[in-house]
Amino acid sequence: AQSVAQPEDQVNVAEGNPLTVKCTYSVSGNPYLFWYVQYPNRGLQFLLKYITGDNLVKGSYGFEAEFNKSQTSFHLKKPSALVSDSALYFCAVRTIYNFNKFYFGSGTKLNVKP
Amino acid sequence: ETGVTQSPTHLIKTRGQQVTLRCSSQSGHNTVSWYQQALGQGPQFIFQYYREEENGRGNFPPRFSGLQFPNYSSELNVNALELDDSALYLCASSLARDRGRSYGYTFGSGTRLTVV
Repeated sequence: AQSVAQPEDQVNVAEGNPLTVKCTYSVSGNPYLFWYVQYPNRGLQFLLKYITGDNLVKGSYGFEAEFNKSQTSFHLKKPSALVSDSALYFCAVRTIYNFNKFYFGSGTKLNVKP
Repeated sequence: ETGVTQSPTHLIKTRGQQVTLRCSSQSGHNTVSWYQQALGQGPQFIFQYYREEENGRGNFPPRFSGLQFPNYSSELNVNALELDDSALYLCASSLARDRGRSYGYTFGSGTRLTVV
């Protein structure tokens, strides 16, 4: 069975500091990995994805993520956090066997304090 | 280019009632998926429609059903509502090319359903 784990319900960081939001996955076959962000009363906004190629993926709003196959991880990072980055972040995976279905993690609430 | 729009934004229903949620796909997209996001959880896949037929379903009972129309808009119907059906329902449209595989998902803002 495919699954995604986000081990931290909440991450707190000061503005200007680097941030990391963790994600690990368990799938059959090669994973297609995604990060989405959700602001209050809004839908999911796409940040970045890993399909194949370079393990370091750069996305929207200065976010990046590193695919680590041996650790089955896809952590989201940003060198310098902004207060406006405060939101709910979801990691998701798709596979070749369930290409049209996202498996989402439970989400991590990021709080960036001034 | 229009995005995905969902209606209504909020809805309150009584246990046992039936509800219909609506979704208009992004221009150029031909596939629609529905997800249920309960409070404090990640979205869960309900089903996907392609060419007006269901082509994938998650672990949801038959009282969750859907329709896709020729203009690619969609409805999610839930019968015999239960308290646990209270959630944010997200619609996502995409473009399916080879073998019905979808690319470029765009999510709507969702419908918040409360069952009392």
